[in-house]
Amino acid sequence: KAGVTQTPRYLIKTRGQQVTLSCSPISGHRSVSWYQQTPGQGLQFLFEYFSETQRNKGNFPGRFSGRQFSNSRSEMNVSTLELGDSALYLCASSLGAGPIYGYTFGSGTRLTVV
Amino acid sequence: QKEVEQDPGPLSVPEGAIVSLNCTYSNSAFQYFMWYRQYSRKGPELLMYTYSSGNKEDGRFTAQVDKSSKYISLFIRDSQPSDSATYLCAMTSSSGNTPLVFGKGTRLSVIA
Repeated sequence: KAGVTQTPRYLIKTRGQQVTLSCSPISGHRSVSWYQQTPGQGLQFLFEYFSETQRNKGNFPGRFSGRQFSNSRSEMNVSTLELGDSALYLCASSLGAGPIYGYTFGSGTRLTVV
Repeated sequence: QKEVEQDPGPLSVPEGAIVSLNCTYSNSAFQYFMWYRQYSRKGPELLMYTYSSGNKEDGRFTAQVDKSSKYISLFIRDSQPSDSATYLCAMTSSSGNTPLVFGKGTRLSVIA
């Protein structure tokens, strides 16, 4: 069965631009969570969506937003990019709401802001 | 103090060695404890999952949780070069309403 698919795999953007990242969860999974991974901070939680509703939001500025569609696919958007937004963005899906069943992660989108 | 502390390593061991990886945490509400393995250029994959205190064994891997000390461990027996990866501990509360909190990961190299 197909895993979690994230597109694109790599992205280079200029400061001030905006970017949209996409995540397709495992078929049947209704929860999608997003994490930012950097060498300095590790994995930091961005947000979680379940059945098109945001259940949780991490401590990131309002430039970071997301949404989930009726087919459970999710997108996250970062506006007015800053150099510090360069990171690996990971999407994870799970069957139910919340992480107690564990997550299945995609391979991530590597975003570089120049 | 961060909620979850994990020694980043790197840790280098010879093939066949027993590896011990550890995390400490500060939030007593954490009840679910997980270990993820992340290979280079890949996302983390769930390796072990335990609830509350105790031990869990799966093949060469053993996870231990000591809630009284707020300390969790992952042991790898007969380590192989294919075990070379970054190992991340993660945990969450039983409410299901809090996100998974990760340690920064320990980078392990198993030398043949």
